Amino acid sequence: DTGVSQNPRHKITKRGQNVTFRCDPISEHNRLYWYRQTLGQGPEFLTYFQNEAQLEKSRLLSDRFSAERPKGSFSTLEIQRTEQGDSAMYLCASSLSLVWSYNEQFFGPGTRLTVL
Amino acid sequence: AQTVTQSQPEMSVQEAETVTLSCTYDTSESNYYLFWYKQPPSRQMILVIRQEAYKQQNATENRFSVNFQKAAKSFSLKISDSQLGDTAMYFCAFMKHGMGLQGGSEKLVFGKGTKLTVNP
Repeated sequence: DTGVSQNPRHKITKRGQNVTFRCDPISEHNRLYWYRQTLGQGPEFLTYFQNEAQLEKSRLLSDRFSAERPKGSFSTLEIQRTEQGDSAMYLCASSLSLVWSYNEQFFGPGTRLTVL
Repeated sequence: AQTVTQSQPEMSVQEAETVTLSCTYDTSESNYYLFWYKQPPSRQMILVIRQEAYKQQNATENRFSVNFQKAAKSFSLKISDSQLGDTAMYFCAFMKHGMGLQGGSEKLVFGKGTKLTVNP
């Protein structure tokens, strides 16, 4: 069983450009989470999906950010008109959510975004 | 809203010795989980240990153990017989107890982390 994968691992872009990241969760995991980790900070929750439905978004997720999970499999996170403040590590995690049980989140290696 | 505080930005320990990382949290929830995650340099975050708030017994996983003080809202991690491979960022995290598919998100709330270096 492969783990959570994220692509690309590194992305350097110029301010104002659009970028898209992809996360492939563990097969059959029905929940997928996106977190953002800036330098010297712990990860912060951005949004999550249960299957294909996006059920919660953090106030950190401005209108320049959009996330999708078509067909409840992989997910994409797009940032439009990037700003230098968007520079961070973007982490994806997945879990198999069952009724009334603890559901461990498994993390991917992250995509490091640098906005010049 | 929940908050997690790690007051030790950096710590170091000699190989084979014991080190304790501190974490405090604030919540009005009565049912929750606490975690310690390890993030090695340039590698992905992995779960080290988990504690359910309703359990009085402290969790233990091999060389890793916790001291959970619910009333004090304190959750420290003890690493015994430190190894070079323990060098990493360690994050304390909180999760409100979910209800699986019926409940809301089980998002993790992290502290800022403690950078642990194990010296040979």
